[in-house]
Amino acid sequence: EVQLVESGGGLVKPGESLRLSCGASGFTFSDYSMNWVRQAPGKGLEWVSTVSSRSSYIYYADSVRGRFTITRDNAKNSLYLQMNSLRAEDTAVYYCARGIGNSGTYYADYWGQGTLVTVSS
Amino acid sequence: DIQMTQSPSSLSASVGDRVTITCRASQGISNYLAWYQQKPGKVPNLLIYAASTLRSGVPSRFSGSGSGTDFTLSISSLQPEDVATYYCQKYNSAPFTFGPGTTVDIK
Repeated sequence: EVQLVESGGGLVKPGESLRLSCGASGFTFSDYSMNWVRQAPGKGLEWVSTVSSRSSYIYYADSVRGRFTITRDNAKNSLYLQMNSLRAEDTAVYYCARGIGNSGTYYADYWGQGTLVTVSS
Repeated sequence: DIQMTQSPSSLSASVGDRVTITCRASQGISNYLAWYQQKPGKVPNLLIYAASTLRSGVPSRFSGSGSGTDFTLSISSLQPEDVATYYCQKYNSAPFTFGPGTTVDIK
C-alpha cells in the first residue's frame, strides 16, 4: 500500500524558515517523481514543486522560486521542502504527492494527509 | 504561462442527474490533463488522467473528454458520495497548474 506521511509543519513568523519532510513507503521511491502541492485555508490546490526520480529535473511555481528548495533522498525514501523567507501567503496545508509521468509531464496519483504551515507574527 | 479555468465554479444537482464540468486551458495542452476529486475535509484523489483515462477503482459514472484547450468531466448519475470539489490540472509542462475548482453538491 502506498503511504506518504508529511511532517515538519508548524507556526513560524514571517521571514523565518521551515523544512518539511515526506516519508514514503509501499513503492519503489526512486522510480517516481515527487511533488509538493499546497492548499491555503478554504482555497483551491496550488502546485508548488516537482522533482524527478533521480533529481535530474526540478520545477518550481513562480510564487516560491528562489525561496523554496525541493530535494529528495532515495536511500531514505524521503522528500523534503526547505522553505525560506516565509510569508503570510505561504500559510497552507502542504501535501506530498507521488508523480506519474516522464520527460517533464507529471500528475499525482497518491497524496499524503498533509502538514499545516502557518506563517503569522 | 498557461492559465486554467473551470466552469461553473459551483453547481447543485439532484441525485441521478448528469453533471458536466468544463476545464479550459489558455493554450493547447494536447491530452495532458488530470481531474481530481476532493471531498470535504479529505485529501485530493485522482480520478482521470490523459484527459479521458479512468483511474482503476474509480466508478464508471465518471468520464472525461477533450483535447487541446477544452475538456469536460462528466458524472453520468450523481450520487450523494460525489459531493466534492473537482479540480483539473495541466501536466504537459511546468508549471503544473490546477484549475480553480468546481464545487458540486446535492440539491
